[in-house]
Amino acid sequence: DQQVKQNSPSLSVQEGRISILNCDYTNSMFDYFLWYKKYPAEGPTFLISISSIKDKNEDGRFTVFLNKSAKHLSLHIVPSQPGDSAVYFCAASAARGGSNYKLTFGKGTLLTVNP
Amino acid sequence: GAGVSQSPRYKVAKRGQDVALRCDPISGHVSLFWYQQALGQGPEFLTYFQNEAQLDKSGLPSDRFFAERPEGSVSTLKIQRTQQEDSAVYLCASSWRKGQGADTQYFGPGTRLTVL
Repeated sequence: DQQVKQNSPSLSVQEGRISILNCDYTNSMFDYFLWYKKYPAEGPTFLISISSIKDKNEDGRFTVFLNKSAKHLSLHIVPSQPGDSAVYFCAASAARGGSNYKLTFGKGTLLTVNP
Repeated sequence: GAGVSQSPRYKVAKRGQDVALRCDPISGHVSLFWYQQALGQGPEFLTYFQNEAQLDKSGLPSDRFFAERPEGSVSTLKIQRTQQEDSAVYLCASSWRKGQGADTQYFGPGTRLTVL
């Protein structure tokens, strides 16, 4: 049973446009969310995170939005660049729980930014 | 400033063989994690160390899987009597502080294990 779901296996956008990657979760204990980016043959690299006490966190071209009532978060990349082409993983943890270190990942979304 | 390193990067084993996968975390990082990533899936938690203590091994799929970090630095994930379903990328991650959800985990490049 997937507790973190990324329902779009892939997304293709034009350079300069907005990329929106979506993530849904089912475990109401999750209160900290992260996005990781992964290039082929490399490990995942931390991109941005958000705590459940916030509904938005921004870092340069990357913004993560959290809708707790819908158990949904999204990553916005504006403007998209060809170098952003990678697999993006959504991950969650239950910081208040006893195993707050444990990250639960979605299956990932392959983003392709076309020049 | 080395990141997390893993060796070997690729490993091919015949079914029934034992394998050992090594992880060198970032120097000074207290926490170390192992994840398994099957094809087309996200990483799945296997085990967690705080220094040399293995505090959580709830994700290890079977008793054929064993991990250690005897001196609180380098870690080894050992798989005995490998099976085809063990084929996956094994990722190691480390973080600076004691395991906390808000602490960034830095991942190594992974070891791709193929069991024939």
